[in-house]
Amino acid sequence: AQTVTQSQPEMSVQEAETVTLSCTYDTSESDYYLFWYKQPPSRQMILVIRQEAYKQQNATENRFSVNFQKAAKSFSLKISDSQLGDAAMYFCASFTDKLIFGTGTRLQVFP
Amino acid sequence: KAGVTQTPRYLIKTRGQQVTLSCSPISGHRSVSWYQQTPGQGLQFLFEYFSETQRNKGNFPGRFSGRQFSNSRSEMNVSTLELGDSALYLCASRESAVNTEAFFGQGTRLTVV
Repeated sequence: AQTVTQSQPEMSVQEAETVTLSCTYDTSESDYYLFWYKQPPSRQMILVIRQEAYKQQNATENRFSVNFQKAAKSFSLKISDSQLGDAAMYFCASFTDKLIFGTGTRLQVFP
Repeated sequence: KAGVTQTPRYLIKTRGQQVTLSCSPISGHRSVSWYQQTPGQGLQFLFEYFSETQRNKGNFPGRFSGRQFSNSRSEMNVSTLELGDSALYLCASRESAVNTEAFFGQGTRLTVV
C-alpha cells in the first residue's frame, strides 16, 4: 500500500525568502512517481513539479525544486524567492496506479 | 486546449437523494479519475476510467459509481446521499493509462442537507 505523510500542517515565509515543505512516502513498488500539487483558494489542483523515482537528479521548475532522497523515502519541496501568489495548500502525492495524497501543508506568504 | 471541465460547480441535495456529477477531460485524454476531498479525510481516490472501462477503484461503498462515455466524458453518481458525502469532488484527466501527469478540474462542491 502507498502512504504519503506531510508533517507540517502550516508553514509561513516572508516574501522573497525560501521555504521548504516536507514529505515522506512509503510504497512497495519500484516504479513510481512523486508530485507536488498546489491548491489555491479557487480549489483547482495545479501541478507544481514531478519526479520520476528512477531518476537520481532532483527535478527543478523555475523557483520550485525538490530534494528527493530515495533511500529515506523523502521528497521535500523548496520554494525560492517566495511570492504572495505562492500562498496556497500544497499536497505531496505518489503515483503507481493512482494518486495518493498527503494531508497537505498550508503555506502563508507575508509581505 | 480547454482544460478539465466539471459541472455543476455547486450542488445542494437532501439526504436520501441521488446526484450525478459530470467531468469533461482535456481533448485527447482518455483517462478520467475521481477524488473526494473533505476536511476530515483529505483527498481520497474514488475510481478511474479508461476507454469506458473502470481500471481502478478506491475504498468507497457501492453507492458511489461512475461511467465513461465513448467521447471520454465521465459521470459520477452517488445514490442515497448521506450528510457525510458533503465534499469537493475533483476530476482529473490523463492522456493515457501510462502517462502520469494528471490535470484537475475546478471541482464540484456537493452539500448534503
